[in-house]
Amino acid sequence: AQSVTQLGSHVSVSEGALVLLRCNYSSSVPPYLFWYVQYPNQGLQLLLKYTSAATLVKGINGFEAEFKKSETSFHLTKPSAHMSDAAEYFCAVSQYGNKLVFGAGTILRVKS
Amino acid sequence: DAMVIQNPRYQVTQFGKPVTLSCSQTLNHNVMYWYQQKSSQAPKLLFHYYDKDFNNEADTPDNFQSRRPNTSFCFLDIRSPGLGDAAMYLCATSRPGSLGYTFGSGTRLTVV
Repeated sequence: AQSVTQLGSHVSVSEGALVLLRCNYSSSVPPYLFWYVQYPNQGLQLLLKYTSAATLVKGINGFEAEFKKSETSFHLTKPSAHMSDAAEYFCAVSQYGNKLVFGAGTILRVKS
Repeated sequence: DAMVIQNPRYQVTQFGKPVTLSCSQTLNHNVMYWYQQKSSQAPKLLFHYYDKDFNNEADTPDNFQSRRPNTSFCFLDIRSPGLGDAAMYLCATSRPGSLGYTFGSGTRLTVV
């Protein structure tokens, strides 16, 4: 069975600082990995996904993530945080393109 | 725009009174999912439909049922809501193997 672990339930950064949200996965087969963002009382919006093509994946709003098989990681980064990035972020894994299994989420706070 | 629509956005129901949440899609996707997301937790898959084939997760309570009368619509029925069923309910769709999941905006259920 596949799973993801997000390290840090809350992350706080200053506006303009680097954003790093951590995700490690466990999967018995090559995984498909996703990052979603959720604003309060909203659904989930896809930021980016890894589908076994390029290991460095670029997404929307300046986010990117790198798939590292040796570390079983798929950390999300953004060079410069903006106030509008404050939200909850979920890492998710899927096998064979079936159902998504989500991590516990990381709430990102951006300080002015 | 093709999308996934959930109605209503907010639903208040009485303890023990049956309630139905609805989801519709214009994407013509084969697969429809229902997730439950309790406060400060990850979305948890309740069940999904692959066309008309219903797939229940092993730990989904019997109190939760679903109907999919056609490709476009899917309903979540909670037979006797308890206080513990208060949550955001998310509907999502996908094409098998496409790795493209589209989420609705969710229905926030309050049980009083």
